[in-house]
Amino acid sequence: ETGVTQTPRHLVMGMTNKKSLKCEQHLGHNAMYWYKQSAKKPLELMFVYSLEERVENNSVPSRFSPECPNSSHLFLHLHTLQPEDSALYLCASSQRTTDQETQYFGPGTRLLVL
Amino acid sequence: AQTVTQSQPEMSVQEAETVTLSCTYDTSESDYYLFWYKQPPSRQMILVIRQEAYKQQNATENRFSVNFQKAAKSFSLKISDSQLGDAAMYFCAYRSPTSGTYKYIFGTGTRLKVLA
Repeated sequence: ETGVTQTPRHLVMGMTNKKSLKCEQHLGHNAMYWYKQSAKKPLELMFVYSLEERVENNSVPSRFSPECPNSSHLFLHLHTLQPEDSALYLCASSQRTTDQETQYFGPGTRLLVL
Repeated sequence: AQTVTQSQPEMSVQEAETVTLSCTYDTSESDYYLFWYKQPPSRQMILVIRQEAYKQQNATENRFSVNFQKAAKSFSLKISDSQLGDAAMYFCAYRSPTSGTYKYIFGTGTRLKVLA
């Protein structure tokens, strides 16, 4: 596997379910990100982890819970979601340097909440 | 706060022709980074090109080039000799170089259709 991978690629869940999204990066990066992509809206940054420590949380509802056990893996735990949470969830990683930092994205998980 | 605006929700171009996608941004910073990302249908978002604001020379990557107008806060993407594989959503993004700032700000995207 190379780059950034995400599983599952598609997920359908009810509002009472609990599920987790997984992201893995094979690039040796030290920062990982969760984004929400909804139609006709800019990508919304949800969480940032750098060196496994959460450094930014953009007031995301508590029904989304991130976990970063090491620099290569990132999870997004979901519980009691709402239909408006249906979207494409993108994971990204980057190497935190002064000027060469570029984010690399995974293929995303398409989430549908019924 | 910084903002990124892509005013063209959708564009079309004939195969082998040239197309320019527009992006404007608003910032009070003098140094920053700008990016164009491509997201093909049901596929991964990939970096097309990046530009450092302190560089006057416009970045180029094969058939992709930018027209960076710092004073006008404009960062357009030109695709030459368009190919069917160029059909995708294109996102313009801004990143501040400030230490500790991890936020990338994205535009709403432009859907590019390439006509055979």
